Amino acid sequence: NAGVTQTPKFQVLKTGQSMTLQCAQDMNHEYMSWYRQDPGMGLRLIHYSVGAGITDQGEVPNGYNVSRSTTEDFPLRLLSAAPSQTSVYFCASSPDSWGPNEQFFGPGTRLTVL
Amino acid sequence: DQQVKQNSPSLSVQEGRISILNCDYTNSMFDYFLWYKKYPAEGPTFLISISSIKDKNEDGRFTVFLNKSAKHLSLHIVPSQPGDSAVYFCSGGSNYKLTFGKGTLLTVNP
Repeated sequence: NAGVTQTPKFQVLKTGQSMTLQCAQDMNHEYMSWYRQDPGMGLRLIHYSVGAGITDQGEVPNGYNVSRSTTEDFPLRLLSAAPSQTSVYFCASSPDSWGPNEQFFGPGTRLTVL
Repeated sequence: DQQVKQNSPSLSVQEGRISILNCDYTNSMFDYFLWYKKYPAEGPTFLISISSIKDKNEDGRFTVFLNKSAKHLSLHIVPSQPGDSAVYFCSGGSNYKLTFGKGTLLTVNP
């Protein structure tokens, strides 16, 4: 099993550009989530999904869109990048469909918005 | 409004001694708590969890204690090893969402 994979590892964007951060898991987990981590901060939940076709907002959803068309994939879209979105982004999945217990995290995507 | 607080940004201990990492929370609705460990340039890895109906959970060298009346939990690592040096995040979960503290950097000196 590859576990949770994220692409790209690094990305530099200009203000106003759009992009999609990819996340995939091969463990057949129903629950998936996206977090961002800023310096000196803990991880903050952006969006989560409890199964294909079902998504919901987390703590900091503004500026981000998600969709879940398959169990395996959970892409995160930045519609119009802003410098405040400079961060490290982590995708995670959990075998528990009722919640994020014992989540497996991907290696992260480091995003810089100029 | 910080629902999960880790008031010690860093902790340094000697190899073989006990490491105690503390965490306070304000949200009474948390159903469970989890500790994660994070090395630089890697994603967090799950360490240990505890349900809100329990007061202790043990897994090898790691033990988590929960004091619901004080809204406080702690992670004990005995004995500490140099490979335990990492950032430790405390988190509380309810309603499909997990809330993290800011983390404590643990350094275990040989």
